[in-house]
Amino acid sequence: RKEVEQDPGPFNVPEGATVAFNCTYSNSASQSFFWYRQDCRKEPKLLMSVYSSGNEDGRFTAQLNRASQYISLLIRDSKLSDSATYLCVVKEDTGKLIFGQGTTLQVKP
Amino acid sequence: GAGVSQSPRYKVAKRGQDVALRCDPISGHVSLFWYQQALGQGPEFLTYFQNEAQLDKSGLPSDRFFAERPEGSVSTLKIQRTQQEDSAVYLCASSVRQVYEQYFGPGTRLTVT
Repeated sequence: RKEVEQDPGPFNVPEGATVAFNCTYSNSASQSFFWYRQDCRKEPKLLMSVYSSGNEDGRFTAQLNRASQYISLLIRDSKLSDSATYLCVVKEDTGKLIFGQGTTLQVKP
Repeated sequence: GAGVSQSPRYKVAKRGQDVALRCDPISGHVSLFWYQQALGQGPEFLTYFQNEAQLDKSGLPSDRFFAERPEGSVSTLKIQRTQQEDSAVYLCASSVRQVYEQYFGPGTRLTVT
């Protein structure tokens, strides 16, 4: 079983739609969680951190459920520019990042 | 300011050749990480340096893979006797310290034919 699991998609949604991605992690001792965005043939970039209390940044909301070891990302009012791969990431104390497979989002006009 | 740079951006190697991939981290960043990203997958950890010390090399897939950072700045990932399964994008990331955000370079796309 992979340490971080995501549904690879693809998710094809129309502009303006709300879309949610989910992720599960296996190490219950994990403390730090993130969502990264990766555009085609580009490097991953930090999108946002994830906290138990929830974290909102504009149209993006991230949530952590420690009991279920479950992380989510909600994107409201999708834009064409949101098309990318979204990577769920767990960070170990050493700084090592453990990535999920990534979920591909395609927003269509 | 300059970000993380990597060279070459693309490398084609014949099976059995040795390759060397270079990473120039952001100036002053103590921590440096290497990741391997196969097509359609998320990046996977290879190794980690704090200054010149290689503190974790648990992700290196075989003894054909070797990394160094002799002066605590530039790092080189070397792959000996390349195999087709080594074809991937090799990403380098640096951070001020291990607990801080990692900034990724553009990667080196290695194709082994």
